[in-house]
Formats: sequence, C-alpha cells, structure tokens
Amino acid sequence: AQSVTQPDIHITVSEGASLELRCNYSYGATPYLFWYVQSPGQGLQLLLKYFSGDTLVQGIKGFEAEFKRSQSSFNLRKPSVHWSDAAEYFCAVGSGNTPLVFGKGTRLSVIA
Amino acid sequence: DAGVIQSPRHEVTEMGQEVTLRCKPISGHDYLFWYRQTMMRGLELLIYFNNNVPIDDSGMPEDRFSAKMPNASFSTLKIQPSEPRDSAVYFCASSQRETQYFGPGTRLLVL
Repeated sequence: AQSVTQPDIHITVSEGASLELRCNYSYGATPYLFWYVQSPGQGLQLLLKYFSGDTLVQGIKGFEAEFKRSQSSFNLRKPSVHWSDAAEYFCAVGSGNTPLVFGKGTRLSVIA
Repeated sequence: DAGVIQSPRHEVTEMGQEVTLRCKPISGHDYLFWYRQTMMRGLELLIYFNNNVPIDDSGMPEDRFSAKMPNASFSTLKIQPSEPRDSAVYFCASSQRETQYFGPGTRLLVL
C-alpha cells in the first residue's frame, strides 16, 4: 500500500537554527516526491519536488531535500530558519499524473 | 497565471442544505483533483478528472457527494444534503504533468 510517514507531529526550533523534517514513504512504483507548505488558513504551496537525477534537490525559500532510496526517505532541510517559516509541512508521493498520497504533516514553530 | 481559483473561500451552512464548491484550474492543465482536509484524516483524495472525464471517484465518501467538470476551465463539487461531519477544508488542484498546484481551499462548516 502507498503511504507516507512524517514521524514528527510538531517541531519547535529557534530562529537561525537548522531544521530537518523527516519523511518516509512506501510506494510500489518509482516515486515522485514532493514537499508542500501550508500557512494558517492558506492553501498548499509547493516547496520542491524530486522525480529523478540528482538526489539533492533545491526548492524555494532556501529549502532542500535529499532522496535516499535505500532508506525510503525524503527529508526536508533548511540551514537557518526564519520566523516566517512557521507553518505546517506536508510530504507527498505520487507517480506521474496520479493522486498524491500525503503524510499527516509536521507543524513547525519558530521561537526567538 | 492566477493559479487555481476556488470559491467560495468560506461557507457556513445548516445541516440538510445543498453546498456547491467551485474550482477553476490553471489554464492548459488537463488534470483536476479534489481533496479534503480534516484534522482526523489529513488530506485525502475525493475524485480526479483527466480531460474533463472522471477517472477515480473511489474517495467520494457517499452518494451525497457528486462532482462534475463540464469543461476544461470549471469543476464543481456538490454535497446534498450536507451533514456536520462534512465540515472540512476542500482543496482543488490541477496539473499538466507531474506537479499539482493547489487552490486556496474552501473552508466548509456545516452546523
């Protein structure tokens, strides 16, 4: 069965600290992997995606993610968090133009 | 491009009433998806279309839910009659290739 696990429901980091959000997936076909961000009361904004090629992908707002096939992981990272990064982050998996399967999300809080 | 447009942004209605949610996909996109987001179940697919044709509606919870896509630039999701457990955020997304772009969502509250 297709599934995405985001083990951390809520993470709090200090502004300026580094960030890593975890994502593990289970998918039968070659996975297309995505990270979306949702600010309160807003829609989902695409941060980055991985289809093939270089396993380290760069996204918007200074985010990056690394695909590790052996670990079935696609963790999101940012070297220095800003207060405006406080939001909910969703990892998702699909295959071409198929519906996405989402994780439950990780809520990020940023403290001064 | 204006992105995916959804209306209304907020809807409050009473149990038993009919609710219609609307979506305008990004021009040129040939796939359209309807998702529902709840605290308990997270983001779930309801139905999706390709070239205006429904491909998979297995996520539609009950016969009370129906969706149409009469043309490439418009889709509706209808709930009739609505129930309090339908309260959620409903997202529309569209894609041309592998990447789905989401609208701002409709927050539905059924009293």
